[in-house]
Amino acid sequence: GQQLNQSPQSMFIQEGEDVSMNCTSSSIFNTWLWYKQEPGEGPVLLIALYKAGELTSNGRLTAQFGITRKDSFLNISASIPSDVGIYFCAGLNAGGTSYGKLTFGQGTILTVHP
Amino acid sequence: GAGVSQTPSNKVTEKGKYVELRCDPISGHTALYWYRQSLGQGPEFLIYFQGTGAADDSGLPNDRFFAVRPEGSVSTLKIQRTERGDSAVYLCASSLRRVSYEQYFGPGTRLTVT
Repeated sequence: GQQLNQSPQSMFIQEGEDVSMNCTSSSIFNTWLWYKQEPGEGPVLLIALYKAGELTSNGRLTAQFGITRKDSFLNISASIPSDVGIYFCAGLNAGGTSYGKLTFGQGTILTVHP
Repeated sequence: GAGVSQTPSNKVTEKGKYVELRCDPISGHTALYWYRQSLGQGPEFLIYFQGTGAADDSGLPNDRFFAVRPEGSVSTLKIQRTERGDSAVYLCASSLRRVSYEQYFGPGTRLTVT
């Protein structure tokens, strides 16, 4: 089945640094989403991307939908301690029999040192 | 408003037992999804409901797993003859419309099979 490869697996950064992570797929998605998960909680949607080439921001977060539709990138600027958590990319192919089935990457664990 | 709620938050059961996991979606959300998250992995799709019917159950691993949503709101995931490999966090999500890109997740039920 479809698989998403997310990298890096983990990051240890200093407060104030910028962060970049990416996600690649063996097949095309028509929607890309980025989620953040904290311990004991479900994933929380951060950004949704609907068009190839789209660049979308949400505060200090910026994400891009790759033009090949097989990849996506998430950047976090000026990191703060509360950015700590696991970040997941997810792909979605609406329509056909896939409906709202999300395919998730393995996650990037972010640790921010004050 | 109230988010997606799941009960119980933790469930420990013996191998071979039957378990039921409950999900209360956000009020008014017509679509409901179940995912399973193993340690260190992203969530994996199990089943999707639109209203009362299962529109896509392609992610259910075998016939020991079954889910219902009889009145189009609350859903129950049922696992028969549990195995140690079923141990995971079971996440439920809901969305406002069919094929919505924005899925809101509950905190999950951590199932441990001893």
